Amino acid sequence: DTGVSQNPRHKITKRGQNVTFRCDPISEHNRLYWYRQTLGQGPEFLTYFQNEAQLEKSRLLSDRFSAERPKGSFSTLEIQRTEQGDSAMYLCASSMTGLETQYFGPGTRLLVL
Amino acid sequence: RKEVEQDPGPFNVPEGATVAFNCTYSNSASQSFFWYRQDCRKEPKLLMSVYSSGNEDGRFTAQLNRASQYISLLIRDSKLSDSATYLCVVSAGFQKLVFGTGTRLLVSP
Repeated sequence: DTGVSQNPRHKITKRGQNVTFRCDPISEHNRLYWYRQTLGQGPEFLTYFQNEAQLEKSRLLSDRFSAERPKGSFSTLEIQRTEQGDSAMYLCASSMTGLETQYFGPGTRLLVL
Repeated sequence: RKEVEQDPGPFNVPEGATVAFNCTYSNSASQSFFWYRQDCRKEPKLLMSVYSSGNEDGRFTAQLNRASQYISLLIRDSKLSDSATYLCVVSAGFQKLVFGTGTRLLVSP
Protein backbone atom coordinates (compact mmCIF):
# COMPACT_ATOMS: atom_id res chain seq x y z
CA ASP A 1 0.00 0.00 0.00
CA THR A 2 1.62 3.27 -1.08
CA GLY A 3 -0.91 5.63 0.53
CA VAL A 4 -0.50 7.85 3.58
CA SER A 5 -0.12 5.84 6.77
CA GLN A 6 -0.63 6.95 10.36
CA ASN A 7 0.25 5.31 13.66
CA PRO A 8 -1.22 4.56 16.04
CA ARG A 9 -4.76 4.32 14.71
CA HIS A 10 -6.24 4.72 18.17
CA LYS A 11 -4.86 6.20 21.39
CA ILE A 12 -6.48 6.42 24.80
CA THR A 13 -4.63 8.47 27.37
CA LYS A 14 -5.22 10.15 30.69
CA ARG A 15 -5.40 13.90 31.02
CA GLY A 16 -1.97 15.39 31.56
CA GLN A 17 -0.05 12.71 29.66
CA ASN A 18 1.98 13.37 26.51
CA VAL A 19 1.16 11.62 23.24
CA THR A 20 2.96 11.40 19.90
CA PHE A 21 1.52 10.47 16.53
CA ARG A 22 3.39 9.54 13.38
CA CYS A 23 2.53 10.14 9.74
CA ASP A 24 4.26 8.58 6.73
CA PRO A 25 3.28 10.44 3.55
CA ILE A 26 3.19 9.10 0.02
CA SER A 27 6.88 8.69 -0.80
CA GLU A 28 7.28 11.25 -3.57
CA HIS A 29 5.15 13.91 -1.86
CA ASN A 30 7.09 16.85 -0.45
CA ARG A 31 4.16 18.57 1.29
CA LEU A 32 2.65 17.23 4.50
CA TYR A 33 -0.34 18.56 6.43
CA TRP A 34 -1.92 17.90 9.82
CA TYR A 35 -5.63 18.45 10.45
CA ARG A 36 -7.89 17.83 13.44
CA GLN A 37 -11.49 16.70 13.19
CA THR A 38 -14.03 16.66 16.00
CA LEU A 39 -17.43 15.01 15.90
CA GLY A 40 -19.87 16.69 13.54
CA GLN A 41 -17.26 19.06 12.13
CA GLY A 42 -15.09 19.10 9.06
CA PRO A 43 -11.32 18.75 9.43
CA GLU A 44 -9.51 21.89 10.63
CA PHE A 45 -6.02 22.79 9.47
CA LEU A 46 -3.26 22.61 12.09
CA THR A 47 0.07 22.91 10.27
CA TYR A 48 1.91 22.19 7.05
CA PHE A 49 5.43 21.30 5.95
CA GLN A 50 7.20 21.64 2.66
CA ASN A 51 10.06 19.17 2.89
CA GLU A 52 11.44 19.67 6.43
CA ALA A 53 10.32 23.31 6.76
CA GLN A 54 7.19 24.06 8.77
CA LEU A 55 5.67 26.88 6.72
CA GLU A 56 2.35 27.56 8.41
CA LYS A 57 0.77 26.96 11.80
CA SER A 58 -2.85 27.50 12.76
CA ARG A 59 -3.86 29.42 15.86
CA LEU A 60 -5.43 26.11 16.91
CA LEU A 61 -1.91 24.80 17.46
CA SER A 62 -1.32 25.89 21.04
CA ASP A 63 2.09 25.76 22.67
CA ARG A 64 1.26 22.25 23.91
CA PHE A 65 1.37 21.04 20.30
CA SER A 66 4.54 20.55 18.32
CA ALA A 67 5.08 19.01 14.92
CA GLU A 68 8.29 18.00 13.23
CA ARG A 69 9.40 16.58 9.92
CA PRO A 70 13.13 16.20 10.51
CA LYS A 71 14.25 14.65 7.24
CA GLY A 72 11.44 15.77 5.01
CA SER A 73 9.88 12.33 5.06
CA PHE A 74 7.73 11.18 8.00
CA SER A 75 6.27 13.65 10.50
CA THR A 76 5.39 13.50 14.17
CA LEU A 77 2.76 15.47 16.07
CA GLU A 78 3.21 15.66 19.82
CA ILE A 79 0.66 16.89 22.31
CA GLN A 80 1.96 17.67 25.77
CA ARG A 81 -0.17 17.74 28.93
CA THR A 82 -3.23 16.47 27.08
CA GLU A 83 -6.64 17.90 27.92
CA GLN A 84 -10.08 16.39 27.35
CA GLY A 85 -10.67 18.96 24.63
CA ASP A 86 -7.83 17.41 22.64
CA SER A 87 -10.00 14.34 21.99
CA ALA A 88 -10.41 14.23 18.21
CA MET A 89 -9.33 12.50 15.03
CA TYR A 90 -5.91 13.71 13.90
CA LEU A 91 -5.56 13.46 10.15
CA CYS A 92 -2.40 13.68 8.08
CA ALA A 93 -2.40 14.46 4.37
CA SER A 94 0.29 14.79 1.72
CA SER A 95 0.62 16.33 -1.70
CA MET A 96 3.20 17.21 -4.29
CA THR A 97 4.20 20.80 -5.07
CA GLY A 98 2.19 22.11 -7.98
CA LEU A 99 -0.62 19.62 -7.58
CA GLU A 100 -3.75 20.52 -5.65
CA THR A 101 -4.92 17.16 -4.45
CA GLN A 102 -4.19 16.25 -0.85
CA TYR A 103 -4.37 12.56 0.04
CA PHE A 104 -5.40 11.74 3.57
CA GLY A 105 -4.24 8.99 5.86
CA PRO A 106 -6.69 6.93 7.97
CA GLY A 107 -6.22 9.19 10.99
CA THR A 108 -5.32 8.69 14.63
CA ARG A 109 -8.32 8.77 16.93
CA LEU A 110 -7.36 10.25 20.33
CA LEU A 111 -9.46 9.93 23.46
CA VAL A 112 -8.34 11.82 26.56
CA LEU A 113 -9.95 10.59 29.77
CA ARG B 1 -19.18 33.14 10.56
CA LYS B 2 -17.58 29.96 9.22
CA GLU B 3 -15.38 30.35 6.15
CA VAL B 4 -17.25 27.52 4.36
CA GLU B 5 -20.91 26.96 5.15
CA GLN B 6 -22.95 23.88 4.36
CA ASP B 7 -26.34 22.54 5.39
CA PRO B 8 -25.46 19.62 7.70
CA GLY B 9 -28.57 17.63 6.67
CA PRO B 10 -29.20 14.76 6.85
CA PHE B 11 -30.70 14.46 3.41
CA ASN B 12 -32.79 11.28 3.28
CA VAL B 13 -33.51 10.18 -0.30
CA PRO B 14 -34.70 6.96 -1.95
CA GLU B 15 -32.50 5.05 -4.36
CA GLY B 16 -32.65 6.56 -7.82
CA ALA B 17 -33.39 10.08 -6.61
CA THR B 18 -31.49 13.20 -7.61
CA VAL B 19 -30.08 15.24 -4.76
CA ALA B 20 -28.26 18.57 -4.68
CA PHE B 21 -25.93 20.03 -2.08
CA ASN B 22 -24.83 23.63 -1.86
CA CYS B 23 -22.18 25.51 -0.02
CA THR B 24 -20.99 29.09 0.24
CA TYR B 25 -17.52 30.39 1.01
CA SER B 26 -16.46 33.75 2.37
CA ASN B 27 -12.85 34.14 1.21
CA SER B 28 -12.92 35.79 -2.20
CA ALA B 29 -9.22 34.91 -2.62
CA SER B 30 -10.08 31.20 -2.75
CA GLN B 31 -8.61 29.63 -5.85
CA SER B 32 -9.33 25.93 -5.66
CA PHE B 33 -12.56 24.15 -4.89
CA PHE B 34 -13.34 20.53 -4.16
CA TRP B 35 -15.91 18.08 -2.95
CA TYR B 36 -14.59 15.37 -0.64
CA ARG B 37 -16.53 12.35 0.52
CA GLN B 38 -16.16 10.96 4.04
CA ASP B 39 -17.58 7.65 5.19
CA CYS B 40 -18.30 7.11 8.87
CA ARG B 41 -15.09 6.96 10.91
CA LYS B 42 -12.93 7.08 7.76
CA GLU B 43 -10.67 9.68 6.21
CA PRO B 44 -11.93 12.20 3.62
CA LYS B 45 -11.40 11.17 0.01
CA LEU B 46 -11.44 13.48 -2.98
CA LEU B 47 -14.65 13.12 -4.95
CA MET B 48 -13.99 15.82 -7.53
CA SER B 49 -12.43 19.19 -8.12
CA VAL B 50 -14.79 22.02 -9.08
CA TYR B 51 -14.16 24.40 -11.95
CA SER B 52 -15.89 27.59 -13.05
CA SER B 53 -17.02 25.94 -16.26
CA GLY B 54 -18.67 23.16 -14.27
CA ASN B 55 -17.61 19.57 -14.47
CA GLU B 56 -19.18 16.17 -14.52
CA ASP B 57 -17.97 12.74 -13.46
CA GLY B 58 -20.50 10.05 -14.15
CA ARG B 59 -23.52 10.67 -11.94
CA PHE B 60 -21.86 13.61 -10.21
CA THR B 61 -21.92 17.23 -11.44
CA ALA B 62 -20.20 20.11 -9.69
CA GLN B 63 -20.68 23.82 -10.34
CA LEU B 64 -18.86 26.92 -9.13
CA ASN B 65 -20.22 30.46 -9.14
CA ARG B 66 -17.33 32.77 -8.23
CA ALA B 67 -19.47 35.91 -8.28
CA SER B 68 -21.85 34.48 -5.68
CA GLN B 69 -19.10 32.43 -3.93
CA TYR B 70 -21.29 29.39 -4.22
CA ILE B 71 -20.47 25.74 -4.98
CA SER B 72 -22.90 22.94 -5.73
CA LEU B 73 -22.87 19.17 -6.13
CA LEU B 74 -25.59 17.24 -7.93
CA ILE B 75 -25.90 13.48 -7.58
CA ARG B 76 -28.17 11.73 -10.07
CA ASP B 77 -29.61 8.23 -9.75
CA SER B 78 -28.55 7.89 -6.10
CA LYS B 79 -27.15 4.54 -4.99
CA LEU B 80 -27.11 3.05 -1.51
CA SER B 81 -23.32 3.32 -1.66
CA ASP B 82 -23.59 7.12 -2.01
CA SER B 83 -24.57 7.33 1.67
CA ALA B 84 -21.80 9.38 3.26
CA THR B 85 -20.90 12.89 4.37
CA TYR B 86 -20.01 15.28 1.56
CA LEU B 87 -17.50 17.96 2.48
CA CYS B 88 -17.24 21.23 0.58
CA VAL B 89 -13.61 22.36 0.53
CA VAL B 90 -11.84 25.53 -0.61
CA SER B 91 -8.21 26.53 -0.76
CA ALA B 92 -6.48 29.88 -1.24
CA GLY B 93 -3.45 28.18 -2.77
CA PHE B 94 -1.64 24.89 -2.76
CA GLN B 95 -1.67 24.98 0.97
CA LYS B 96 -4.27 24.42 3.63
CA LEU B 97 -7.71 23.17 2.80
CA VAL B 98 -10.69 24.79 4.51
CA PHE B 99 -13.56 22.36 5.04
CA GLY B 100 -17.24 22.91 5.62
CA THR B 101 -18.94 20.91 8.33
CA GLY B 102 -20.21 18.44 5.74
CA THR B 103 -23.64 17.42 4.50
CA ARG B 104 -24.83 13.97 5.46
CA LEU B 105 -26.61 11.92 2.79
CA LEU B 106 -28.63 8.81 3.56
CA VAL B 107 -29.89 6.81 0.56
CA SER B 108 -32.54 4.25 1.42
CA PRO B 109 -33.84 1.25 -0.58
